[in-house]
Amino acid sequence: QKEVEQDPGPLSVPEGAIVSLNCTYSNSAFQYFMWYRQYSRKGPELLMYTYSSGNKEDGRFTAQVDKSSKYISLFIRDSQPSDSATYLCAMGQGTDKLIFGTGTRLQVFP
Amino acid sequence: EAQVTQNPRYLITVTGKKLTVTCSQNMNHEYMSWYRQDPGLGLRQIYYSMNVEVTDKGDVPEGYKVSRKEKRNFPLILESPSPNQTSLYFCASSLLAGSHLRSLHFGNGTRLTVT
Repeated sequence: QKEVEQDPGPLSVPEGAIVSLNCTYSNSAFQYFMWYRQYSRKGPELLMYTYSSGNKEDGRFTAQVDKSSKYISLFIRDSQPSDSATYLCAMGQGTDKLIFGTGTRLQVFP
Repeated sequence: EAQVTQNPRYLITVTGKKLTVTCSQNMNHEYMSWYRQDPGLGLRQIYYSMNVEVTDKGDVPEGYKVSRKEKRNFPLILESPSPNQTSLYFCASSLLAGSHLRSLHFGNGTRLTVT
């Protein structure tokens, strides 16, 4: 079993839809949870960072962490074609390496 | 502009021909790392460096070498490339002091094909 599981998609939604992206993990010691966005032919860029449990909101994006269920989510409200990308979850503990999910490909069509 | 620069962006080579992929960052970051990205496997760490002259193996170091002689540069060396090293490679950097998990800055990738 992988330490981090992420549905690869692709997920195809119309413009304006609410998108929910999810990851599950097995290591209860993880403390940091991140979402990276990767556009085609580009490197990943940090989108959201959360420490421990709870919610964090930044504009149209909301990151949720449920440590009791070992489950993290990224919600995108009012999705735009420019949100079309691959979204990678990542998590870690202390100063250890990050563990990345395999990514979910999202397509938002006009 | 703050950035991580990798070169080349695309590389096609033959088995056994030594190659180097360069990585340079202009943010004075202590931490640098190399990843490979493969379909269904995600990003896997090859090597990382906490500072100049300090390097360590990641999850998949076999067949790769790195060096960190200067803070800004972290080249990836494939002494004898093989077809299973065909992949998309990313260099990343971050400030250290416990913060490197939070804000990795990635380059735009090097697509390597070994025939």
